Amino acid sequence: EAGVTQFPSHSVIEKGQTVTLRCDPISGHDNLYWYRRVMGKEIKFLLHFVKESKQDESGMPNNRFLAERTGGTYSTLKVQPAELEDSGVYFCASSPANEGIPWIGYGYTFGSGTRLTVV
Amino acid sequence: AQSVTQLGSHVSVSEGALVLLRCNYSSSVPPYLFWYVQYPNQGLQLLLKYTSAATLVKGINGFEAEFKKSETSFHLTKPSAHMSDAAEYFCAVSKGSGGYNKLIFGAGTRLAVHP
Repeated sequence: EAGVTQFPSHSVIEKGQTVTLRCDPISGHDNLYWYRRVMGKEIKFLLHFVKESKQDESGMPNNRFLAERTGGTYSTLKVQPAELEDSGVYFCASSPANEGIPWIGYGYTFGSGTRLTVV
Repeated sequence: AQSVTQLGSHVSVSEGALVLLRCNYSSSVPPYLFWYVQYPNQGLQLLLKYTSAATLVKGINGFEAEFKKSETSFHLTKPSAHMSDAAEYFCAVSKGSGGYNKLIFGAGTRLAVHP
């Protein structure tokens, strides 16, 4: 079974530019999550999709960040325009549908992350 | 609100020595607790989880953790470190009960293992 795939693995952009990160979850996983780790800090939740719907986007830092999951498959996270403080590692994770079984039994499967550097 | 504190951003041990990585949590509800590991250039991998069953939880690669409610702790241990254990370790908490719950992570502890 293929894991969670993220690309690019690294991206270096200039302040003010736009960057789009992509996440391909495990096939059939309805839940998709984005997390971010700013240098040396804790990993923080950004948002959660259930299929194509945003279930929780309480962690999105501001309106320069836009996440989509058209068709409930892969997801993109666009940063426009990028600022220096957006630098960090962006992780994606997926988990199966709940359907009465606590998600906790499955846990998340994380991707390897995209390291974004804004200069 | 929930939070996680990992004591020590860097821990160094000798090969064969005990590994102890500390994690304290704060939660207003019974928590679910996790330890994840990240090896270089890889994603976060689940080591073990506490879900209100046994307080001593055994995970992969010989790691285990004990949930101590009175101390609000969930420290990770391994009796004998291997060179391959060198990685970054993250403690995380989530609210209990089913449903979709986000994880709240600590800042991570980087473990170095030297010969």
